Amino acid sequence: ETGVTQTPRHLVMGMTNKKSLKCEQHLGHNAMYWYKQSAKKPLELMFVYSLEERVENNSVPSRFSPECPNSSHLFLHLHTLQPEDSALYLCASSPMGGGEKLFFGSGTQLSVL
Amino acid sequence: AQKVTQAQTEISVVEKEDVTLDCVYETRDTTYYLFWYKQPPSGELVFLIRRNSFDEQNEISGRYSWNFQKSTSSFNFTITASQVVDSAVYFCALANAGGTSYGKLTFGQGTILTVHP
Repeated sequence: ETGVTQTPRHLVMGMTNKKSLKCEQHLGHNAMYWYKQSAKKPLELMFVYSLEERVENNSVPSRFSPECPNSSHLFLHLHTLQPEDSALYLCASSPMGGGEKLFFGSGTQLSVL
Repeated sequence: AQKVTQAQTEISVVEKEDVTLDCVYETRDTTYYLFWYKQPPSGELVFLIRRNSFDEQNEISGRYSWNFQKSTSSFNFTITASQVVDSAVYFCALANAGGTSYGKLTFGQGTILTVHP
């Protein structure tokens, strides 16, 4: 148990669907992250929230919309995705957001048909 | 720009063999952190070690050891007497140590390690 919980673990969606990924951390951390892990590619940072404020948006298409209602919860809203968006989406948290180690969830394996 | 290269895509060993995973990095920052993470089949990345760029001492933790050589920009990871449970994907990562780095890690592509009984 890493203290970072992601739901759902698996998600299959069509290109016209709207779905949301949820992440919850029980570690009292102030920073939360979304990373994308595609086959045969390095993990890519998508978004960073520090104290519920988005501080990094790594040129992510607008069909991905993050939301951080409080320091314990992070969402990734998905709409009109493309098949190439199929990947493992990993949520992580850290105490302050400045080079300390990240605590990762188990990820949501997303398949876009 | 930062870059992390893990040249070994896949490594296969037999249990009890020693294995070294290579990591080479590029950065213009003078202070930075280097990390190793393990990703077992369950998916979550598990933190193994963080090394500050000012600290070049090698570290040993049980069967794991890390060799940081700033002169060659390498941060290699050795598993001694490998076990089947060591089978996983291992990632090397780099982060700027500045106050606005916001935990932005640059990851290598990962090395798939398979340990056979």
